[in-house]
Amino acid sequence: DAKTTQPPSMDCAEGRAANLPCNHSTISGNEYVYWYRQIHSQGPQYIIHGLKNNETNEMASLIITEDRKSSTLILPHATLRDTAVYYCIAHSNYNQGGKLIFGQGTELSVKP
Amino acid sequence: SQTIHQWPATLVQPVGSPLSLECTVEGTSNPNLYWYRQAAGRGLQLLFYSVGIGQISSEVPQNLSASRPQDRQFILSSKKLLLSDSGFYLCAWSFGGSTDTQYFGPGTRLTVL
Repeated sequence: DAKTTQPPSMDCAEGRAANLPCNHSTISGNEYVYWYRQIHSQGPQYIIHGLKNNETNEMASLIITEDRKSSTLILPHATLRDTAVYYCIAHSNYNQGGKLIFGQGTELSVKP
Repeated sequence: SQTIHQWPATLVQPVGSPLSLECTVEGTSNPNLYWYRQAAGRGLQLLFYSVGIGQISSEVPQNLSASRPQDRQFILSSKKLLLSDSGFYLCAWSFGGSTDTQYFGPGTRLTVL
């Protein structure tokens, strides 16, 4: 799995959009970009994933650059409950049983 | 819908004691199952994964073992705990396939004293 780079921390005002960047310049063609988040003392929660196209679900939007070397997770209207560590992972399950490699992530603090 | 359970939620054990952590998944058949450990800080380390009953792959040699006695049951064990076994243990499952999104359980916080 390709290594990803994220800022260690970010702040966001409640109600505003939170834009979390991720660099994955060595991503390979069969690796997807996954986003998870972990609220303190809980298991990681899956948010969204994508390969080439931008993706949106009820939780967030994922914007992947055309060269696939970076991506941005967008939480459109951040709430206090979105305070968590957000992990960006470049992952392929080409070989069944592939492990997710979690880096240090971005600690997002949503402030009132 | 699918649900993953882990128990116990917290555990305090003396050094040298045995360990058994259990994970079960509901609402799916033949899932891939995973055990991760999260030590101090944020990184998760894959310990074991299983693609079927009785099929266990170990990622890191250690003091722990895993078993899958039933399709949706995954057990993490140790005969004698070490201080270094303390951590947050997470079970995860996936459907398998090319994307293989993994879904995590609530975790077990283990403290070895």
